[in-house]
Amino acid sequence: SAVISQKPSRDICQRGTSLTIQCQVDSQVTMMFWYRQQPGQSLTLIATANQGSEATYESGFVIDKFPISRPNLTFSTLTVSNMSPEDSSIYLCSVVGTFPLTDTQYFGPGTRLTVL
Amino acid sequence: GENVEQHPSTLSVQEGDSAVIKCTYSDSASNYFPWYKQELGKRPQLIIDIRSNVGEKKDQRIAVTLNKTAKHFSLHITETQPEDSAVYFCAASKRGGTGGGNKLTFGTGTQLKVEL
Repeated sequence: SAVISQKPSRDICQRGTSLTIQCQVDSQVTMMFWYRQQPGQSLTLIATANQGSEATYESGFVIDKFPISRPNLTFSTLTVSNMSPEDSSIYLCSVVGTFPLTDTQYFGPGTRLTVL
Repeated sequence: GENVEQHPSTLSVQEGDSAVIKCTYSDSASNYFPWYKQELGKRPQLIIDIRSNVGEKKDQRIAVTLNKTAKHFSLHITETQPEDSAVYFCAASKRGGTGGGNKLTFGTGTQLKVEL
């Protein structure tokens, strides 16, 4: 399977600031997604990161709060803007379309965000 | 959209016993059902998946069954071991195509504890 890395692995941020999370894959993938996992909860899809175009957001998530970029087939960023304590979560990227299992979804290690 | 329900939320078994986790989904167009295992502080790891054209799939001590008519699928772990202790998530998606393919909708998770 592909090797997926995320930066930073964790961060503690102040209310009102923004944090950009990077997701890097060691091979080209067809699809990249961003999920949020609040403490002790399940995973919720934030958006699909589309290469070269605007991300597709799920209900309850908006571009102004979670801007996403995907400049190529191996890299994406998620920004958490104007943070509040409610944004404290683990943010995970995932990828689909890695050789040889083209529809299996693999997850990055996650970024643990704490907002004070 | 898709809604996935998962039961039970916690499950405690004795080592060597079997464990069964059940999920139901709402969207009859869903055709791909993966199961993920998440250990504390780690990323979700795919352990088995099933596609809608088969009713059962087995991999050593792990098996998954799918009933498309009833829209439910189950994870079976036999001969449980302490290292099976983790949170297990079921998920559902529509494979392939465009406009939302491969987005995973997760169940709420099952905390499995295997006791010695």
